[in-house]
Amino acid sequence: EADIYQTPRYLVIGTGKKITLECSQTMGHDKMYWYQQDPGMELHLIHYSYGVNSTEKGDLSSESTVSRIRTEHFPLTLESARPSHTSQYLCASSEPTSGEIKTQYFGPGTRLLVL
Amino acid sequence: AQSVAQPEDQVNVAEGNPLTVKCTYSVSGNPYLFWYVQYPNRGLQFLLKYITGDNLVKGSYGFEAEFNKSQTSFHLKKPSALVSDSALYFCAVYTGGFKTIFGAGTRLFVKA
Repeated sequence: EADIYQTPRYLVIGTGKKITLECSQTMGHDKMYWYQQDPGMELHLIHYSYGVNSTEKGDLSSESTVSRIRTEHFPLTLESARPSHTSQYLCASSEPTSGEIKTQYFGPGTRLLVL
Repeated sequence: AQSVAQPEDQVNVAEGNPLTVKCTYSVSGNPYLFWYVQYPNRGLQFLLKYITGDNLVKGSYGFEAEFNKSQTSFHLKKPSALVSDSALYFCAVYTGGFKTIFGAGTRLFVKA
């Protein structure tokens, strides 16, 4: 079944640690996104990708980085986690936009707590 | 500026009653509007979208939304609410390229 996966689902980590949040999709989508969402709040786009080897920063400034070496994989890395990074991170993907506006499909999210 | 507003933080409704979750938007050009639902500890799930055509859009789980261009609104509706509809609902507008603006969300409580 085509889907979008995120691991870990929950992560508690100390300040200064390097972390990587994993996101994979089996739908063959070219476009992928990372959003940051504080509990019960709106989503803010922090990174996106058109396809392999293409990544851009979103609207919300973020100290994280992303990579897109394979179509299905879009990991997000924080080199040195800080308490201000505590949030929920949602990964999404969509088909290429040509003509019809495509829906985004979201993973279950990673809830990050930095102590 | 392009924006999406969900004026209600929370909507309470009794099971079996109709529900409405409100959304207004401000965009330049044609609006491409979406509704997503988020259950606890889950990502967002697509409910329905308006691109063009009929102003009444039908979506998943019995939900529908009415596009009103003159009022710049896209309210989500369901004729008969279920307890299982309790969740966080997001209205969103696609503004081009990679940009989708999400509203702040409305929490729906359906009481048995």
